[in-house]
Amino acid sequence: AQSVTQLDSHVSVSEGTPVLLRCNYSSSYSPSLFWYVQHPNKGLQLLLKYTSAATLVKGINGFEAEFKKSETSFHLTKPSAHMSDAAEYFCVVSDFYGGSQGNLIFGKGTKLSVKP
Amino acid sequence: NAGVTQTPKFRVLKTGQSMTLLCAQDMNHEYMYWYRQDPGMGLRLIHYSVGEGTTAKGEVPDGYNVSRLKKQNFLLGLESAAPSQTSVYFCASSYREGNQPQHFGDGTRLSIL
Repeated sequence: AQSVTQLDSHVSVSEGTPVLLRCNYSSSYSPSLFWYVQHPNKGLQLLLKYTSAATLVKGINGFEAEFKKSETSFHLTKPSAHMSDAAEYFCVVSDFYGGSQGNLIFGKGTKLSVKP
Repeated sequence: NAGVTQTPKFRVLKTGQSMTLLCAQDMNHEYMYWYRQDPGMGLRLIHYSVGEGTTAKGEVPDGYNVSRLKKQNFLLGLESAAPSQTSVYFCASSYREGNQPQHFGDGTRLSIL
């Protein structure tokens, strides 16, 4: 069965410093992986997705993530944090090929705070 | 560019009352989903639909019913609301092809007193 573990529930960085949000997954198949962002009182917005093409995936707003099969990780990074990046981030695995017709399995979220 | 629209945005109910949450999408997506979001729990799937006239149970279906009479609409019903159903509810939709991202509405905040 697929699962996702976000290793930090809360990350705090200073504006202009790098961001690292960690995610490990478990999957019986070649997974599809996503990162979503949720700003306060808003729905979830897709940041980026990995679907077995390039292992380094670039997303919106300067974020990127690297798929490492040997480490079963899909960490999200950004070189320089901006105040507007403060939000909650969800790592998500799709078990489409496990027969669940595209259902997503969500991590519990990492809340990113950005200090001025 | 409406995308996924949820109605209402906020609602307060008394225990035992019933209500229906409406989700509408204008992207011609085949798949639609209802999730609930609780603090520290991420999103949990309640029910989903792979096409008009079909529905299926997700991870936490008890106490909820759904209907997909039209391709663009997915309704979530609470027949007898309980305080444990206080949550933020999100609707999402996606294309049928494998591993397509889901598009989310802005949520419905529901409080059961």
